[in-house]
Amino acid sequence: DIQLTQSPSLLSASVGDRVRITCRASQGINNYLAWYQQKPGKAPKLLIYAASTLQSGVPSRFSGSGSGTEFALTISSLQPEDFATYYCQQLNSYSYTFGQGTKLEIK
Amino acid sequence: EVQLVQSGAEVKKPGESLKISCKNSGFGFSDYWIAWVRQKPGKGLEWMGIIYLDDSDTRYSSSFQGQVTISADKSIKTAYLQWNNLKASDTAMYYCARQETQWLDRSAFYTWGQWGQGTLVTVS
Repeated sequence: DIQLTQSPSLLSASVGDRVRITCRASQGINNYLAWYQQKPGKAPKLLIYAASTLQSGVPSRFSGSGSGTEFALTISSLQPEDFATYYCQQLNSYSYTFGQGTKLEIK
Repeated sequence: EVQLVQSGAEVKKPGESLKISCKNSGFGFSDYWIAWVRQKPGKGLEWMGIIYLDDSDTRYSSSFQGQVTISADKSIKTAYLQWNNLKASDTAMYYCARQETQWLDRSAFYTWGQWGQGTLVTVS
């Protein structure tokens, strides 16, 4: 099975900061990667799919990049509502592994 | 608007059986996949399996194969997740998600943009 490893597991940042979360796949997955945001007690929310395509309605401060085995989610200027946990997920041939998650907390 | 509505919270004893549901309350047909995801308290997301509502074609994660059964009733656009012998370690929030296909540059990409509200299962 393909494994996804996110870094860091915990990220402390301030409003207005630019932050980057990375996701490494154990083997190449082209760009079959999505990013989600999850807040406590809520279902995950799709932010980005196909590694870099913004889901409709998601603010443009979110962006995704990468292909193959190395991917990143960047938030250009953190807003108070962005403090949450973020997950990457690979969607490749009926294999839908998630990364372990990155908790983004207020510094 | 597509909306996935899951059944309510459950409290069960070890060894009991349980079946929870995920209903697509919107209009339309049943030609799409519904996935199930587990989230243990304070932990991350785990994909369990996925079912095509129209013909019940089902794929399981290797971690959950044989541990749960996923089924569907396309006439009421509902997917199910079932256990025959619950364990305390099954205590978790369970989410369903609808898989859609987006086309970019003639390549198909799966997206899970619509999720249910979650069903909390407590086994104690």
